[in-house]
Amino acid sequence: GESVGLHLPTLSVQEGDNSIINCAYSNSASDYFIWYKQESGKGPQFIIDIRSNMDKRQGQRVTVLLNKTVKHLSLQIAATQPGDSAVYFCAENRGTGFQKLVFGTGTRLLVSP
Amino acid sequence: DAGVTQSPTHLIKTRGQQVTLRCSPKSGHDTVSWYQQALGQGPQFIFQYYEEEERQRGNFPDRFSGHQFPNYSSELNVNALLLGDSALYLCASSSWTGIDTEAFFGQGTRLTVV
Repeated sequence: GESVGLHLPTLSVQEGDNSIINCAYSNSASDYFIWYKQESGKGPQFIIDIRSNMDKRQGQRVTVLLNKTVKHLSLQIAATQPGDSAVYFCAENRGTGFQKLVFGTGTRLLVSP
Repeated sequence: DAGVTQSPTHLIKTRGQQVTLRCSPKSGHDTVSWYQQALGQGPQFIFQYYEEEERQRGNFPDRFSGHQFPNYSSELNVNALLLGDSALYLCASSSWTGIDTEAFFGQGTRLTVV
């Protein structure tokens, strides 16, 4: 079926720690992946994306790793801050020639000071 | 530069009624996608509009319909509302340059059906 699953529903970390959020996807043909952050009452906010011809991509304090062999995606957040507290979604593109994103249920990241 | 804007922000409707939600895409974007997000779930793709046509549809009944205007703005219409239609409706805009293009989301419209 169309689903992108996440391993942990809630992740609690201390401020300053590094956070790792994991995601499993089911469609081996998916070729584009995005991580979104969603704060309460707001729409999803783009964090970082990665194409299937890449294994790793880095942004500001964030790194996305893609392992196509086991269909696994992870988001690493360095030096996690209280402002990083939100629900994080991975999304895979299931469209052919257009973008149709399939989201998982999300992981809630709680950062305590 | 305004991002994606949606209206209204909140809406309460009665079962059986019809509702229209509106979306203005980010400046420079020509493609609008609509998603439904139930509480505690990830967004689910409803459909996408480009060049005023529905390009692809997710697993939603015909009660869900849409429209795109020449200025790229879009409407989502839902007829014969059910309690299960209560959700956050999200609009995402992007440029029609293929699959690997960043989609920007609006704040959403919270629809409650009573």
